Amino acid sequence: QLLLQESGPGLVKPSETLSLTCTVSGGSISGTSYYWAWIRQPPGKGLEWIGYIYPSGITDYSPSLKSRVTISVDSSENQFSLTLSSVTAADTAVYFCARNSGYDHTFDFWGQGTLVTVSS
Amino acid sequence: DIQMTQSPSSLSASVGDRVTITCQASQDISKYLSWYQQKPGKAPKVLIYDASNLETGVPSRFSGSGSGTDFIFTISSLQPEDIATYYCQHYDNIPFTFGPGTKVDIK
Repeated sequence: QLLLQESGPGLVKPSETLSLTCTVSGGSISGTSYYWAWIRQPPGKGLEWIGYIYPSGITDYSPSLKSRVTISVDSSENQFSLTLSSVTAADTAVYFCARNSGYDHTFDFWGQGTLVTVSS
Repeated sequence: DIQMTQSPSSLSASVGDRVTITCQASQDISKYLSWYQQKPGKAPKVLIYDASNLETGVPSRFSGSGSGTDFIFTISSLQPEDIATYYCQHYDNIPFTFGPGTKVDIK
């Protein structure tokens, strides 16, 4: 069974950079036909796709966040990471990592999510 | 970006009732739509993909239909464990976007 686990600071100061890592177990992150994604959900609100990365390193980002987002992959550690720069209170959210299947394009495995609060 | 709308935003129904949620895309997305169920404090779970295909292991009381811009999600007989928020999501192009969600509870 594939498991994804987010890790990183739960509190980030405004204007600083948010950094999260997703560790994948129970399967290889290098497999073809899967993308590795970040999705966030502000408290009490809906879901927002941030972006994803293919094991080769090819990325796609939401245009609304593209100037501040970087997603990278470390196949040797079976991890992928998110950095979001110049954060504001609007970036406070539960951040989920997820696998996106290239077969049916679903987000079929998810981490439990981690709350990141932006506050001084 | 393609905008997704859902209605209603919330509903209450009795156990055994048929529940219907609609989702509309701001432009033609063909069949490229999924439905997710999210319970409080949990990650979403995919139920339907390609508008009408049931994900493996999902009970058959869940179904989806539609194409183009208008889609329907149905629970044929509401069960207590179906209490959740349901989201539609398109994957026709980047950026993927989700609907605002429909909260379902028991009357």
